[in-house]
Amino acid sequence: GAGVSQTPSNKVTEKGKYVELRCDPISGHTALYWYRQSLGQGPEFLIYFQGTGAADDSGLPNDRFFAVRPEGSVSTLKIQRTERGDSAVYLCASSLAGYTGELFFGEGSRLTVL
Amino acid sequence: GNSVTQMEGPVTLSEEAFLTINCTYTATGYPSLFWYVQYPGEGLQLLLKATKADDKGSNKGFEATYRKETTSFHLEKGSVQVSDSAVYFCALSDQDSTGGYQKVTFGTGTKLQVIP
Repeated sequence: GAGVSQTPSNKVTEKGKYVELRCDPISGHTALYWYRQSLGQGPEFLIYFQGTGAADDSGLPNDRFFAVRPEGSVSTLKIQRTERGDSAVYLCASSLAGYTGELFFGEGSRLTVL
Repeated sequence: GNSVTQMEGPVTLSEEAFLTINCTYTATGYPSLFWYVQYPGEGLQLLLKATKADDKGSNKGFEATYRKETTSFHLEKGSVQVSDSAVYFCALSDQDSTGGYQKVTFGTGTKLQVIP
C-alpha cells in the first residue's frame, strides 16, 4: 500500500498479557516513530528508529515496553505484562529521514487492557 | 524541554466563519513548526509547516505565521467549511544535542466542529 499500515487496528487483552503491535512504513522511509495517544491528548513520543537501530528510546515509559525493526522496514512494538494504564491508541509514523519533522502517520492500533 | 500549548476545544463555528486556533511553544533551539490535522476516522496528516521566523505556512485556505518574538504559530482560516471539522494539532521539531534527527513534540489538540 501507499501509506503507513498498522495492525491490528483494535486489540483487547487482559491485564498481565503480552501484546505485539505491528507497523509497516511507507516504502523507502528510513525513519520510523512510535507515539502513544490517550483520549483527549496529543501524541506522546515513545521511540524513534533510523534504519534498524533505535536512535532515541527516551519516551518508552518503562522496561515492559520494547520495539524492534530488524530489517529497517517493519517495526514491532512489544508490551509485556500489560496494565490497564497502557490502554491507548498506538501510532506509528515514518519519514524519508529524521531531519524534517514531516511525519506520515498510520491510523493507529487501539489497545484496550481489561 | 520542548513543549507546545494550544487552546482547548472544542471550537464550534458556523460555516463561513473566521477561525483562529492559538498555539504557543517553548523550545531551546530554533524549531520548525507544524500544524497536523486528524479528520474523523483517519490518521494524522501534515496540514502546513514553517521552518524559520516570519515564515508563513499555508494549505487548503489555512495559514499560520512563525512568530519568534511571541513564540506563537496560530492557525487561521478566513471561511471555514463543514469539511474542516477535525482535530488540529500544533507541533514542533528541534534537533537533538548531536544535531541529528528532529524529535516532534505535539500539543494536546483542538477539536473543531463546523455546523451548516
